[in-house]
Amino acid sequence: SQKIEQNSEALNIQEGKTATLTCNYTNYSPAYLQWYRQDPGRGPVFLLLIRENEKEKRKERLKVTFDTTLKQSLFHITASQPADSATYLCALPENQAGTALIFGKGTTLSVSS
Amino acid sequence: NAGVTQTPKFQVLKTGQSMTLQCAQDMNHNSMYWYRQDPGMGLRLIYYSASEGTTDKGEVPNGYNVSRLNKREFSLRLESAAPSQTSVYFCASSGGQKGNYEQYFGPGTRLTVT
Repeated sequence: SQKIEQNSEALNIQEGKTATLTCNYTNYSPAYLQWYRQDPGRGPVFLLLIRENEKEKRKERLKVTFDTTLKQSLFHITASQPADSATYLCALPENQAGTALIFGKGTTLSVSS
Repeated sequence: NAGVTQTPKFQVLKTGQSMTLQCAQDMNHNSMYWYRQDPGMGLRLIYYSASEGTTDKGEVPNGYNVSRLNKREFSLRLESAAPSQTSVYFCASSGGQKGNYEQYFGPGTRLTVT
């Protein structure tokens, strides 16, 4: 079965720096990969989706890359701000291209001013 | 649009009691999902409904049942609650059609079983 590893439970950076979060998967290459943000006491909020034939996707200060050879996605937040502090979750389809997702355990990002 | 709504927000049950968690979405989505989130375990899929009239087991279905009442509503039932079911439960929905995979989550139900 597919396993997801987000290999940093916590990441602390200074305001203005670029945060880079990693998501690795172990089994089949999924048709797409998603990133979500979760604030304490709230449900996850969708940020970005990248498909298997896309190398990179951008949205404002966010950038996601997808390397099917390495079985890895990187999530970057440039010019980070304290408001970016949250837990970021990586998610893949439960089977290769379905709609049900499995989630990584998340990386908690803290941006200090 | 309210998006995804869940009731109740908080619940305390005694072991062996039953309850139903309600979820509704107003985005005309085909697919709906129930997850539980526990410290150190992340979000885990309990059941999902890819379309009205269908339901499928996720990673952790034992002890739960679901009903897709109509396109808008998807309920999760605990027939005999156990302390191991203490968790935060999230409902989510997605378009379900090819290309519309992003999920929209409700605010969660915080359940404690004593």
